Amino acid sequence: KAGVTQTPRYLIKTRGQQVTLSCSPISGHRSVSWYQQTPGQGLQFLFEYFSETQRNKGNFPGRFSGRQFSNSRSEMNVSTLELGDSALYLCASSLEFPYNEQFFGPGTRLTVL
Amino acid sequence: GESVGLHLPTLSVQEGDNSIINCAYSNSASDYFIWYKQESGKGPQFIIDIRSNMDKRQGQRVTVLLNKTVKHLSLQIAATQPGDSAVYFCAETTGNQFYFGTGTSLTVIP
Repeated sequence: KAGVTQTPRYLIKTRGQQVTLSCSPISGHRSVSWYQQTPGQGLQFLFEYFSETQRNKGNFPGRFSGRQFSNSRSEMNVSTLELGDSALYLCASSLEFPYNEQFFGPGTRLTVL
Repeated sequence: GESVGLHLPTLSVQEGDNSIINCAYSNSASDYFIWYKQESGKGPQFIIDIRSNMDKRQGQRVTVLLNKTVKHLSLQIAATQPGDSAVYFCAETTGNQFYFGTGTSLTVIP
C-alpha cells in the first residue's frame, strides 16, 4: 500500500511570491490535513479537508489556503510569502479526523528568501 | 490558547534500558491523545494513542499513561533500542484540530 506522497520535496521562493504544494493521500483515505513545522513553533495544524470540504481550520492567516479534489488529493497554497513561512509543510491522511491514525507524508521543505 | 509542552527537550538512555518521555497538556476538554516519533528527514510516525476514558494503553514495547487529574501524558519505551533514537512528541485534540508538543529528542547510547 503506497504511503502519503508530497510534491515537491524542496522549494525555494522569494518574499511576495506564492506557492502551491501537493499531497496525495493513501488510497481510500478521504481526510487530508496539513501542518506547518518549524524549529520555533513546532508542529501546528493548518486545516483539514474531507470529501472536498474544509471542515477544520487552525489559527493561520488567510494567506494559507487549500483545497481537495474528488480523488482526495489535496493542495495547499500560500500567497504573498513571508520569511517566516519557511518551514516543513506536512500533510497527513486518515480514514477519519481526528480519531483515527494519521499517516504523514515526508513533507515539503519550503525556504523563503 | 492551547498549550502542550514537554518537560525535557533531550533524553539519553543506554540501550536496553527503559525510556520515559513526558508531556503536559492544558486543555481538560481534550479527549484524544497521540504519541508520534519523528526521525530526521521524515514525517511523524504514529506510535500509540489513548482516549480520555482510559488511563493506560499498551502497544508493542510502548505504553502510554494518561493522568487527567494533573493533565499529564507519558510514553514508556521498554528495552530501548538504537532504532528508537528520534524526536518524540505528543498531540492532543478536542475534536476539531490537533495541538502538538515541541518534542523530546531521544538518544540511545549503544
